[in-house]
Amino acid sequence: AQSVTQPDIHITVSEGASLELRCNYSYGATPYLFWYVQSPGQGLQLLLKYFSGDTLVQGIKGFEAEFKRSQSSFNLRKPSVHWSDAAEYFCAVGAQGSNTGKLIFGQGTTLQVKP
Amino acid sequence: KAGVTQTPRYLIKTRGQQVTLSCSPISGHRSVSWYQQTPGQGLQFLFEYFSETQRNKGNFPGRFSGRQFSNSRSEMNVSTLELGDSALYLCASSLERGPNEKLFFGSGTQLSVL
Repeated sequence: AQSVTQPDIHITVSEGASLELRCNYSYGATPYLFWYVQSPGQGLQLLLKYFSGDTLVQGIKGFEAEFKRSQSSFNLRKPSVHWSDAAEYFCAVGAQGSNTGKLIFGQGTTLQVKP
Repeated sequence: KAGVTQTPRYLIKTRGQQVTLSCSPISGHRSVSWYQQTPGQGLQFLFEYFSETQRNKGNFPGRFSGRQFSNSRSEMNVSTLELGDSALYLCASSLERGPNEKLFFGSGTQLSVL
């Protein structure tokens, strides 16, 4: 069965420091992978997605993620964090089967940014 | 273009009641999905509708149902509410179906069951 694991429930970084959020997935074929961000009281916004091709994916707000098939990982990175990046981040995998938009989400990582 | 609109924003119900939540997708989007978000279980897929037909269903009891109208607007209904149904219910729309489609989420309906 498909699954997504985000090992870090909560991460605190200082403003201006670099960030890496971890995501590991379990999937039998080439996965469709996503990172979403959720601000308090809001819905989810897509940061970036990976379907195929270049394993380093660029997203919005200066985020990038790298797909590593050998490690079943899709970690999210940002070189310099801004206070406005404080939010909850979700990694997700597109479900097996054709023509379905169903996503399997990880449990999320809450990012706190220290001034 | 207006985003995904969910109404109401907040809802308080008591056990045993039923509730209907509404979702208006982005204009032109034909696929609507619903997710339940709770602190304990995280984000869980409820169902997906496309062209007025349910295409996929998550692992939820039959008390959870939904429908989609010809204008792509969708409603979900929960009957005989239980305390555990308290959650943020998120609706997402996309242009078409498919795992490579970008989902646009609404701000959700926060349901509290007392």
